[in-house]
Amino acid sequence: AQSVTQLGSHVSVSEGALVLLRCNYSSSVPPYLFWYVQYPNQGLQLLLKYTTGATLVKGINGFEAEFKKSETSFHLTKPSAHMSDAAEYFCAVSRPNTDKLIFGTGTRLQVFP
Amino acid sequence: DTEVTQTPKHLVMGMTNKKSLKCEQHMGHRAMYWYKQKAKKPPELMFVYSYEKLSINESVPSRFSPECPNSSLLNLHLHALQPEDSALYLCASSPGQVTNEQFFGPGTRLTVL
Repeated sequence: AQSVTQLGSHVSVSEGALVLLRCNYSSSVPPYLFWYVQYPNQGLQLLLKYTTGATLVKGINGFEAEFKKSETSFHLTKPSAHMSDAAEYFCAVSRPNTDKLIFGTGTRLQVFP
Repeated sequence: DTEVTQTPKHLVMGMTNKKSLKCEQHMGHRAMYWYKQKAKKPPELMFVYSYEKLSINESVPSRFSPECPNSSLLNLHLHALQPEDSALYLCASSPGQVTNEQFFGPGTRLTVL
C-alpha cells in the first residue's frame, strides 16, 4: 500500500525567506511523486513531478524538490518566498501504470511581509 | 488546448433537485476523474473513467452518478443530495497510466440546502 505524510499542516515564512515543505512517502515499488498547489476556490495545479531519472526536479514558480530514496522523502523548496506563494500545497504519490493518486493531507503556506 | 473546463462554477440546489456537473478536456487524455474536496482536506477520489472503463470508490453514495458520453466529456449527475454533500467538486484528466500526471479543472462549488 502507498501513503503520503506531510509534516506540518501550517507553515509560515517571511517574504524572501526559504520555503521548505516536507513530504515523506511509503511505497512498496518505485513511486511517482508529485507536488500540487491550490489557491483558494481553485483547482489543483501541478508544480512538479518525479518519475525517473534526475532526482532533483525543478518546477514552476521557482520551486524544486529532491527525491531521496534512502529517506523516502520528496521535500519541496523555494529559495525566496513571495506573497503570491501563499496557498495550500499537496504532495501525492502513485504507482507506475495505475489510475490513482494518493494525496497527503496538505500544508497551508502563509507568507508574511 | 491544455485546459480542463468545468461548468457551472457555482451551483446551489435543494435536496429534491436533479442537476448535473460537466467537465471537458481536449488534450486527448484517456482517463478522467471526479473528486470531492471538503474545506481544508485533500481531494477524495469518487470515480475514474480510464480507457472507457469505469472504476468506482465503493464509499460514494448512489445519489452521485457519473457518465462519460465520449473521451472528452465527463458528467456527474446529482439527485437527492444531502447538505453534507456540499463541497468543491473537481474534475481531472490524465494521458493514461504511464505517469498518472493529472490535470485539474477549476472545480464546481456545490451547496446543498
